[in-house]
Amino acid sequence: NAGVTQTPKFQVLKTGQSMTLQCAQDMNHNSMYWYRQDPGMGLRLIYYSASEGTTDKGEVPNGYNVSRLNKREFSLRLESAAPSQTSVYFCASRKQGDTEAFFGQGTRLTVV
Amino acid sequence: AQRVTQPEKLLSVFKGAPVELKCNYSYSGSPELFWYVQYSRQRLQLLLRHISRESIKGFTADLNKGETSFHLKKPFAQEEDSAMYYCALRAYNTDKLIFGTGTRLQVFP
Repeated sequence: NAGVTQTPKFQVLKTGQSMTLQCAQDMNHNSMYWYRQDPGMGLRLIYYSASEGTTDKGEVPNGYNVSRLNKREFSLRLESAAPSQTSVYFCASRKQGDTEAFFGQGTRLTVV
Repeated sequence: AQRVTQPEKLLSVFKGAPVELKCNYSYSGSPELFWYVQYSRQRLQLLLRHISRESIKGFTADLNKGETSFHLKKPFAQEEDSAMYYCALRAYNTDKLIFGTGTRLQVFP
């Protein structure tokens, strides 16, 4: 039982490059989330998904897209990376009806 | 709109001293409030939730709807309590879960 797994753990991108951050959970959870963590800003919600096939914008969705193709996986895409997107990205999942969210180990992204 | 405010970026205390990490929220409906903790090199994890009214690792938090606060307290801090603490809010019956800016707690020996 791996919980929430994020890939990659580290990534360096050049400005303008694109990439997809992957997140998978094996706990049969309905809800999944993407956050970014920045010093002094805390955790900010980018997008979330209540169930397979549905997604909603969070607090800071600009510059990002997401896909929830199945119950297990929720990916975050940066189409044209910018230095302002340098951050640590966290994926989380939660069982419907439960209150606790489980987090991945994070992806440290640097855009140069 | 939902909002969570943690006014202190850093809180430093000595071992054995009382600790209070402040959290205020704004939400017009019924919120669910949580405290999450991130120890060094570990994943973010749930510490406690207001609906459980539990004490975890000596920490307690009471939801005060009048003051819209959910402060985290511990009477005697331990060195192993040093970590980043986040207050979080989920609007009742929704999936949107938002966090505050976090407070780093340092407990000195």
